[in-house]
Amino acid sequence: GQQLNQSPQSMFIQEGEDVSMNCTSSSIFNTWLWYKQDPGEGPVLLIALYKAGELTSNGRLTAQFGITRKDSFLNISASIPSDVGIYFCAGLGVLGRDDKIIFGKGTRLHILP
Amino acid sequence: GAGVSQSPSNKVTEKGKDVELRCDPISGHTALYWYRQSLGQGLEFLIYFQGNSAPDKSGLPSDRFSAERTGGSVSTLTIQRTQQEDSAVYLCASSLYRTGANVLTFGAGSRLTVL
Repeated sequence: GQQLNQSPQSMFIQEGEDVSMNCTSSSIFNTWLWYKQDPGEGPVLLIALYKAGELTSNGRLTAQFGITRKDSFLNISASIPSDVGIYFCAGLGVLGRDDKIIFGKGTRLHILP
Repeated sequence: GAGVSQSPSNKVTEKGKDVELRCDPISGHTALYWYRQSLGQGLEFLIYFQGNSAPDKSGLPSDRFSAERTGGSVSTLTIQRTQQEDSAVYLCASSLYRTGANVLTFGAGSRLTVL
């Protein structure tokens, strides 16, 4: 079946560093979503991307919808302690169906003291 | 309501007992999804409801799992004869499904522990 390869699986960084994570797939998607999950909470939407090549920012976060429609990346600039959590990408629109949503396995971000 | 509400937030049960988990989606959202998240793992799709269409049950791991959505709103996920491997956080999400713009809003989850 369709899969999303999300990498890295985990990251250990110093506060202030920039972060980059990405998702790739062999399938074409119509929409890419990026979520963040804090401990004990459900995932919360960070950024939604609807168009190939689209580059969208939300504060210190920047995400791009790959031109091939098979990948997306999320960058976080100048990381702060509250950025700790699990980041999930999700692709929608496999086989033309927007209700088919594929999630990546998550990138776990840790900030070293 | 303002967000997706799930109950109970925590449930501890004994192996072999049945459990019911409830999801109250955002008012007006036609699509509702259930996911399972085991400790330290990603999101495992379980079941999807969209309007009056037949649900997509392709993610249910066994026939001990079932879900229903009454009146197109509240959904209940039922796990019969619980096993220890059922221990996980069960997340519900809803969306105002539109072509090209299906953004899911998640609840906080129900944490199930089977002893």
